[in-house]
Amino acid sequence: DAGITQSPRHKVTETGTPVTLRCHQTENHRYMYWYRQDPGHGLRLIHYSYGVKDTDKGEVSDGYSVSRSKTEDFLLTLESATSSQTSVYFCAVLRGAYGYTFGSGTRLTVV
Amino acid sequence: TQLLEQSPQFLSIQEGENLTVYCNSSSVFSSLQWYRQEPGEGPVLLVTVVTGGEVKKLKRLTFQFGDARKDSSLHITAAQPGDTGLYLCAGDGNAGNMLTFGGGTRLMVKP
Repeated sequence: DAGITQSPRHKVTETGTPVTLRCHQTENHRYMYWYRQDPGHGLRLIHYSYGVKDTDKGEVSDGYSVSRSKTEDFLLTLESATSSQTSVYFCAVLRGAYGYTFGSGTRLTVV
Repeated sequence: TQLLEQSPQFLSIQEGENLTVYCNSSSVFSSLQWYRQEPGEGPVLLVTVVTGGEVKKLKRLTFQFGDARKDSSLHITAAQPGDTGLYLCAGDGNAGNMLTFGGGTRLMVKP
């Protein structure tokens, strides 16, 4: 596998607080992605990165920001968490011809 | 926005039965991927189809890419309880290497 680690695996936070989720990879892949998965919506792209400090918005980027200061780390920040951001968040990397590999996810609950 | 519609959303069958899952779009994709996801884990890539009309087989699973590269199907022969899971199709429109996911088909195979 692509050595993708997401942290934390589970988090409960209060409305209005900032939250940062981390995705760490060990194989120097260029492209990294953040998706959220919700019942009835499948997986939707939040933000993606095509290199260090190179990021762009996905389909559902409002309320989220990302940073990639090192190849191996891609951070997703919820500046002020809302209940609508309760979801399961997945990080993925593009492994060229081997396709996309996903992390095990972070289950975030905003109360 | 490129949309992928999967059908059926839910499927409950007996062991030994055959089934087909469909993934349809009005958009053309440069490639289409199928993933399987188990509870608490990220999606795992099963196959990538690239050429219109392409058929790929993975043991009892047969994947087909439509001639126009707008749709795909997954056929499982003699389903087994181990096939239980969420099946996701995803299209790569080649815009920044971003995947668009279908809503998923939740399959349960009863012994």
